[in-house]
Amino acid sequence: GQNIDQPTEMTATEGAIVQINCTYQTSGFNGLFWYQQHAGEAPTFLSYNVLDGLEEKGRFSSFLSRSKGYSYLLLKELQMKDSASYLCAVIGGTYKYIFGTGTRLKVLA
Amino acid sequence: GAGVSQSPSNKVTEKGKDVELRCDPISGHTALYWYRQSLGQGLEFLIYFQGNSAPDKSGLPSDRFSAERTGGSVSTLTIQRTQQEDSAVYLCASSLVVGLAGLSGANVLTFGAGSRLTVL
Repeated sequence: GQNIDQPTEMTATEGAIVQINCTYQTSGFNGLFWYQQHAGEAPTFLSYNVLDGLEEKGRFSSFLSRSKGYSYLLLKELQMKDSASYLCAVIGGTYKYIFGTGTRLKVLA
Repeated sequence: GAGVSQSPSNKVTEKGKDVELRCDPISGHTALYWYRQSLGQGLEFLIYFQGNSAPDKSGLPSDRFSAERTGGSVSTLTIQRTQQEDSAVYLCASSLVVGLAGLSGANVLTFGAGSRLTVL
């Protein structure tokens, strides 16, 4: 079977750092992606990992460990506009994109 | 086109009626995906296309759901004899390729704004 797990909700303070974890079990692996979705809007791409290690893009970084089936998204210098859902997605062996249920992040002033 | 277009943006229908949802992907994108998102939930995979063929239809909830893609471009998702549990936002996304260029950003999905379906 295929399974992607993320925490349901997280709360953090403006200016802080938050780490959103994602664990996955899939038949095959061809990449892990993070998307951001504001309420009532479509998801937009943030970051992807294919090989183990850390990928940094400005305030956002994503880490992957394929042997552990684990990834995290790190958001630094949190801003109010970062309040959104963060979706972890894996391209499995059949090349279909499977999404986790998403983590709702609330940033407090 | 410049982005992924979906129509209609909103559809209210009566239980038992058929509905068609349309997706026009970014020009040149060979992969096209359909997802369903219920309120406050994650994205439920329905089907994806590589060109005009659908290698994986495993996510279609029942035989009332079908999808096709013609000319490697526009796709239509059809729901027959709609039920109230079909109410959701149906999202379409496209990417340049599927899987083959796994080390590049060619697999990044661009989403349409979605079609909100309400079945009364």
